[in-house]
Amino acid sequence: EVHLVESGGGLVQPGGSLRLSCVASGFTFNSYGMSWVRQAPGKGLEWVSGLTSGGDATYYADFVEGRFSISRDNSKNTLYLQMNSLRAEDTAVYFCAKYTEWFYFFDSWGQGSLVAVSS
Amino acid sequence: IVLTQSPGTLSLSPGERATLSCRASQSVSGSYLAWYQQKPGQAPRLLIYGPSTRASAIPDRFSASGSGTDFTLTISRLEPEDFAVYYCQHFGSSATWTFGQGTKVEIK
Repeated sequence: EVHLVESGGGLVQPGGSLRLSCVASGFTFNSYGMSWVRQAPGKGLEWVSGLTSGGDATYYADFVEGRFSISRDNSKNTLYLQMNSLRAEDTAVYFCAKYTEWFYFFDSWGQGSLVAVSS
Repeated sequence: IVLTQSPGTLSLSPGERATLSCRASQSVSGSYLAWYQQKPGQAPRLLIYGPSTRASAIPDRFSASGSGTDFTLTISRLEPEDFAVYYCQHFGSSATWTFGQGTKVEIK
């Protein structure tokens, strides 16, 4: 069974930084692309970033504007999201999600990590 | 591409049929369209993709169809556990993943 566990969320001041982690188990981690999707309180889902199985290609939503960096360590079965220059509008639950084989959809999700940006 | 889901909220009783719409701002391939279910306090769950293949362990009361700009998720007979929020999602050729704003199916 696929298991994704996020950590690293918390309260941070505007302009601050956080690094989210997602530890994966139950599948061959280095064979699948991974992604981060967020959900602001009471709002819908919003894709943030994704990367390929080897980490050689990364993708970002326009609103990231160079502030976030996605990476992975396949030796540790771990996905990361480094978030810098955080804004109040980045407040959300951040879900780690596994891409399907074809990289088009998300077939497994973690339970999410709450990031709150406030002074 | 913008995905617009309607209605925003659907009030139905258990046993009734639910029809949810997802409209794309321009024509898209159904091969790149999926539907998710999310219950309060839970992560989303992949229901159907590409555009009519059910994901693992999804019951056959869920079905989807559509082409071009108009796609539909149908729940043939609502079970109590089906009351949730449903999202459509599209994979774009420029490596972007877009979600609709969601349709809430609530108990009438």
